[in-house]
Formats: sequence, structure tokens, C-alpha cells
Amino acid sequence: GAVVSQHPSRVICKSGTSVKIECRSLDFQATTMFWYRQFPKQSLMLMATSNEGSKATYEQGVEKDKFLINHASLTLSTLTVTSAHPEDSSFYICSARSARLAGGPGSYNEQFFGPGTRLTVL
Amino acid sequence: SQKIEQNSEALNIQEGKTATLTCNYTNYSPAYLQWYRQDPGRGPVFLLLIRENEKEKRKERLKVTFDTTLKQSLFHITASQPADSATYLCALGDTGGFKTIFGAGTRLFVKA
Repeated sequence: GAVVSQHPSRVICKSGTSVKIECRSLDFQATTMFWYRQFPKQSLMLMATSNEGSKATYEQGVEKDKFLINHASLTLSTLTVTSAHPEDSSFYICSARSARLAGGPGSYNEQFFGPGTRLTVL
Repeated sequence: SQKIEQNSEALNIQEGKTATLTCNYTNYSPAYLQWYRQDPGRGPVFLLLIRENEKEKRKERLKVTFDTTLKQSLFHITASQPADSATYLCALGDTGGFKTIFGAGTRLFVKA
């Protein structure tokens, strides 16, 4: 249980185009989803936190107009990188947290991660 | 600012030995600490969580210690296997679990 999927797994696009990444919780309802970005040999950097049905909370330094996040349902969140540039090339990872699972062994809000999406902007 | 330090140098050990990874943190009082495994090109996989009032936690061949005075956690893999080769991430969380801060990870290589 507690599986999170991401689509696509990798994408290559031209500079100036927009790219949408989907994050789905397959077997549980995710009340909260997180979007991270990871550069090679660096730590995961939290970009934003989204709760179903409300606006995402962005971390300092993350442009909300560039990285559009939508959490329309309890099983789906999307990240759209608008007008992508080469410096946006990175590994984007989502994670999901379940209110129902919060009472279990990971009750301090264990996060379940997706497999990641490799974005390359040419 | 909050900072998590993990040994950036890769750890190379022989199969069957115990691997010990270190996580140090500053300017933070976490409610809990987690360890994740991350394989190349993949998302992290949760391994263990230890709370601030716990000293040690075990799961199969894994053992985690948490010293809030030293602000340090040690992660041990006993009887290591080549399949244990991966990057191991340390992460700190607050009481509400609203934000988790990750270290950069330590790469472990287990030689057969």
C-alpha cells in the first residue's frame, strides 16, 4: 500500500514551453502533497506544499507564477513548469501524506514519495 | 539557519560488515528524524522514523540512534549486502509534520 506514481518519468522540452507533471496517490487519499526539486548530489529542496482544494504554499524563493500547482482531488496533484528554461532542468519529486495513515507507525506524518520526473530543457 | 550535515564522501565497505552513516544538524529541534534510501533516478523510500524521546530504533538489519543533546543520528546497517548500495538521506520533521528538511545524503557502496 501507499504507492505514489508520477507521470511522465522523464521529459525533454524546448526552452519557452510549459511542462505538466502529475502526481497520483494510487491506493490512499492524500490530504497533503509536497513537491521537491533535486539537483545532482544535492538534497531534496521543498518547493511547495499543497492541500486538497486550497492554494499551494510556496517556499521562499520559489516563483508561484512559474511553478503552478493544482491539487484538485485527494489523489492527484499537478506541477506545471511554465515557460521552462534550461536552468529549470532538474529532478522533480512529489510526495504524499495521508491523514488516514497518520495514525499508523508513521504517525509523525510519514511521506510517500513518487519515483520522480527528470526534466531536461534544451 | 537550519542545517543538516551528512558525510558527502561516499562510504565504501566490504560485504558482511556494518555500515555506519552519520547525520548532524544545527539550529533545529526536530520532533522526529527519518532515514530514507534513494537509488539513482528514483524517489526516496522511507526506512525508519525515530522520535525525539526515543534513543534507538531497530528494524531487521537497520538500527538508528538519536541523540538530541549532540544533535546527531547514527544509521547502522548490519551484515551489509551489495544490494544495500544506495544513497541514504536523513530528514528532520517538526511536530506538525508540515515541513521535512532533508540532508544531501551519503552514498554507500557495499563490495562483494
